[in-house]
Amino acid sequence: DGGITQSPKYLFRKEGQNVTLSCEQNLNHDAMYWYRQDPGQGLRLIYYSQIVNDFQKGDIAEGYSVSREKKESFPLTVTSAQKNPTAFYLCASSIDPSVNDGYTFGSGTRLTVV
Amino acid sequence: QQPVQSPQAVILREGEDAVINCSSSKALYSVHWYRQKHGEAPVFLMILLKGGEQKGHEKISASFNEKKQQSSLYLTASQLSYSGTYFCGTEVLEGFQKLVFGTGTRLLVSP
Repeated sequence: DGGITQSPKYLFRKEGQNVTLSCEQNLNHDAMYWYRQDPGQGLRLIYYSQIVNDFQKGDIAEGYSVSREKKESFPLTVTSAQKNPTAFYLCASSIDPSVNDGYTFGSGTRLTVV
Repeated sequence: QQPVQSPQAVILREGEDAVINCSSSKALYSVHWYRQKHGEAPVFLMILLKGGEQKGHEKISASFNEKKQQSSLYLTASQLSYSGTYFCGTEVLEGFQKLVFGTGTRLLVSP
């Protein structure tokens, strides 16, 4: 079955460390997205990518970086510059924004700073 | 730019109906609706497009008023499985079509 795989499910980071969250999809979707969700709040867009080797900042990109070297993969790095990284991170994909279909989400990575 | 959802929370008994509203300050291309269970990924329910096209869930309906930049999700004859947090996501007309999500409406259906 096709879908999005995020790993790890839980991640603990020490202050000052960079960590990378994995997102892989086998849906052949062109567009991929990273969202951050804080308790009791909605999803806020961190970065998005329409095609391979291209990505754009979302609303809260500071302290994060991404790459899109392959269509299937869109890893997110949470850098030490992100002062409050504890949150639930969701990766999503869509077939093509012009096709007008819903997003498919991964099961998320819960990041905690210790 | 973030759409506003109302109400923030709803408690229903099984079989009752509910309406969740989503309002934007910008002209919209589409509105998406998702449901998220605690600790899980959001699941796509429905998309409503400018011009009237809809795609989505068989048992859930929604409306999209383009002039008012508002959408409503109608949950009828609610089931226990409807419990969760409902998010609307809006795509604005300019630029790359990316979703901006509302803060969510928590729905609890009790027996």
